Amino acid sequence: SFELTQPPSVSVSPGQTAIITCSGDRLGDRFAFWYQQKPGHSPILVIYQDSNRPSGIPERFSGSNSANTATLTISGTQALDEADYYCQAWGAGTAVFGPGTKVTVL
Amino acid sequence: EVQLVQSGAEVKEPGESLRISCKGSRYNFNSFWISWVRQMPGKGLEWMGTIDPSNTYTNYRPSFHGHVTIAADESTNTAYLQWTSLEASDTAMYYCARHESGASSSSFDYWGQGTLVAVSS
Repeated sequence: SFELTQPPSVSVSPGQTAIITCSGDRLGDRFAFWYQQKPGHSPILVIYQDSNRPSGIPERFSGSNSANTATLTISGTQALDEADYYCQAWGAGTAVFGPGTKVTVL
Repeated sequence: EVQLVQSGAEVKEPGESLRISCKGSRYNFNSFWISWVRQMPGKGLEWMGTIDPSNTYTNYRPSFHGHVTIAADESTNTAYLQWTSLEASDTAMYYCARHESGASSSSFDYWGQGTLVAVSS
């Protein structure tokens, strides 16, 4: 079955760049999506179809997807970006989420 | 703005039945599918299954098939997730989320606030 893997955690200093990876077999052949979830809150969509930002999502969030890896990049990371981030793709009509990456802003 | 409003928290005993709901508003309910996503305490997101309210077509993740049922009532713009016999392992937060279709290009663009289900004897 199709699976996605993510690093459990990423630490970044304020103002620096956070890079979160998501790996899966030929993931680049599918669309990747990214969701941000803060404690006690519902997830929100931050990147859709690999690299597009929904309305209201800051420009510091960007995404890419190629070969077996999708990447979420947070440029100029702010304290309010501290959250869990999940990648997601579709496989055989079912949605698959990655295990999530906790981003800590030190 | 689009809203998905879920029913309130539930406390149940093992073996009991349960139905939780997700009511959509401020958009054409029949034009978007509704998925249900489980999040067990301290864990990640798990997609359970989806429904197309326009024709009630459903698709389930194999591990959930037969244990839960997803339904929708277009007359009330409401989707449902139901169990006939709860287990302690069903204790989790459950989210509904809408997406444009079952296509691989569709994202979960709006989410409900979550329904906490606690199952304990």
